[in-house]
Amino acid sequence: AQKVTQAQTEISVVEKEDVTLDCVYETRDTTYYLFWYKQPPSGELVFLIRRNSFDEQNEISGRYSWNFQKSTSSFNFTITASQVVDSAVYFCALSEARRAGNQFYFGTGTSLTVIP
Amino acid sequence: GAGVSQSPSNKVTEKGKDVELRCDPISGHTALYWYRQSLGQGLEFLIYFQGNSAPDKSGLPSDRFSAERTGGSVSTLTIQRTQQEDSAVYLCASSLGGGSTEAFFGQGTRLTVV
Repeated sequence: AQKVTQAQTEISVVEKEDVTLDCVYETRDTTYYLFWYKQPPSGELVFLIRRNSFDEQNEISGRYSWNFQKSTSSFNFTITASQVVDSAVYFCALSEARRAGNQFYFGTGTSLTVIP
Repeated sequence: GAGVSQSPSNKVTEKGKDVELRCDPISGHTALYWYRQSLGQGLEFLIYFQGNSAPDKSGLPSDRFSAERTGGSVSTLTIQRTQQEDSAVYLCASSLGGGSTEAFFGQGTRLTVV
């Protein structure tokens, strides 16, 4: 079973629109960590954010915001006023404290295209 | 350098040949990961090193794949008798250790088996 599900394979939006990328995870651990990474066309994965399971506060960083809801096992990512430079593949990932450090479980990614 | 460095950036090899891919992690990072990304696909876990502990090899797809990490730093991923299905981008990442800390990725090695 997939530990991290990103149901949206591809999304296209027009510049300046807001867009939300969904991430649903599955774990039996009470302590776990969630991450978002961006992979631009250049290919290198860029770390965006880390969240631990005890911190459900939403976070905002500029045009980016993250909504963590344990009740629905979701960690969604919203880009406000999207820009062409936001075009990339975005990956959500999970690591579990019980098997701390063994691996990060990645979703299959959401390819975002921002149309000028 | 400041980031994770991988070499070579690109490698084209003939089917049946052996290849070695190198990863230089961020200095001070005790954890090192190898992932594989096939065209348009997600990230497939291969192997994980943490300090002096035995590596987690659970993701290696076959016994043709092996990896070493010398002196707790540089790692080499070796693929023996390459097959066309081995063609992918091989990504290395390092972290301070433990899944609680984010991993930083290199730019990857694009392997093409012809």
